[in-house]
Parts: sequence; C-alpha cells; structure tokens
Amino acid sequence: GAGVSQSPSNKVTEKGKDVELRCDPISGHTALYWYRQRLGQGLEFLIYFQGNSAPDKSGLPSDRFSAERTGESVSTLTIQRTQQEDSAVYLCASSLRRNGDYTFGSGTRLTVV
Amino acid sequence: GQNIDQPTEMTATEGAIVQINCTYQTSGFNGLFWYQQHAGEAPTFLSYNVLDGLEEKGRFSSFLSRSKGYSYLLLKELQMKDSASYLCAVQTGANNLFFGTGTRLTVIP
Repeated sequence: GAGVSQSPSNKVTEKGKDVELRCDPISGHTALYWYRQRLGQGLEFLIYFQGNSAPDKSGLPSDRFSAERTGESVSTLTIQRTQQEDSAVYLCASSLRRNGDYTFGSGTRLTVV
Repeated sequence: GQNIDQPTEMTATEGAIVQINCTYQTSGFNGLFWYQQHAGEAPTFLSYNVLDGLEEKGRFSSFLSRSKGYSYLLLKELQMKDSASYLCAVQTGANNLFFGTGTRLTVIP
C-alpha cells in the first residue's frame, strides 16, 4: 500500500480482555517495528521484525504481550488480559532497510476501562 | 542502558530560528534520527545523521557530533505549522530505534 495501515484506529476494551492490533506495512519493507506511546511521553520500543529472521522481542513489557509477522506482510500485536496501564497509542512503523527512515502508521489508540 | 535527553518544552516566535538539542548515551550507534509529531498524529521523518557534521534540508538542518554524543535540530524561518513535538532517536547496534521523550515546540505570532 501507499502507507503503513493500522487497525483499528481506536479500541476501548474492558480490563482483563484480550485485544489484537493489526499493522499492514508498506509493500516491500522488510523491517517492521511496534512502539507504544503513553500520553505525553516518548515512544517505547516493543518489538522488531526483519524479514524471516527471529524477531527482537527485547522491548515487550511482559509475557501478556506477543506479536507475529508472516514473512514481510501483516503483523499483529496481541495483548492478553489487558490492564489499565496498557492504555496508550500503539504505533507500527516499517522501513525498507535497517538504517532507513521509518514510516509510521497512524496508530491504534487503546483504552482499557 | 540507553539514555536520550531533550528539553521538554520550547517556545519561539514566528519567523525566528530555534535550536533543539539532544544528548545521548547508548550501547551502540548506527545513526541519529529526528522526527516531527503533530498532536494526535504519527511521527514523520525529518532527518538522519550517521557522520559528524551538518545536514541541511530546506528550513531544517541537523547536526551530529558522535564524540560528544550530541545532536541538534535547527529550524529556520519558523512558521505556525512548525508547532509540534520533535523527537530525537538513536539507532543502536541492536536494530531498534530508541526515542527521547520529545521536545514540544510552540511557535507564537
């Protein structure tokens, strides 16, 4: 596609429920990143995918968080048993190469009530 | 650990010049990025420095000194639309991009 597409744009969920966030990167971009941005704060790295290599999961805050990506296509970020502290904007970015500029999606605003 | 420091907020006048500083201490370095983020929107790429020196792109310039762990973003001929957060980010050897908390710039008439 022309840009990085994320869905849903907004999600309100009850505490304890599972949520799944989707990212559709720019076609041909081998690198895909997930970030979390809490209100008024900077971006917090979560996970990085590069082609078919093993992902870098070092930023995932707990085992309730997981992410999948098949090849160089869509990625899903899953948060199990959501907590209020998970409320944030979840941003996905893709890049053509490792040291290239990142193109961000518009994000998914998650609110846990 | 990784540490990136930027001023939290800055205010400047329309038409003026503003310099936003960023200092970093990271376990690796593969380049430094500046992003612009308007409220409620995704960050957009502004500049990338991997070698020491100044990179100029229109009204925006970015400077890097690797030995000092220091960068700045220079915005000239400020416009009201430049009001946004400016994020400094360092790409470490571990493939990911670490962001500072950003500098919120307000341009006043």
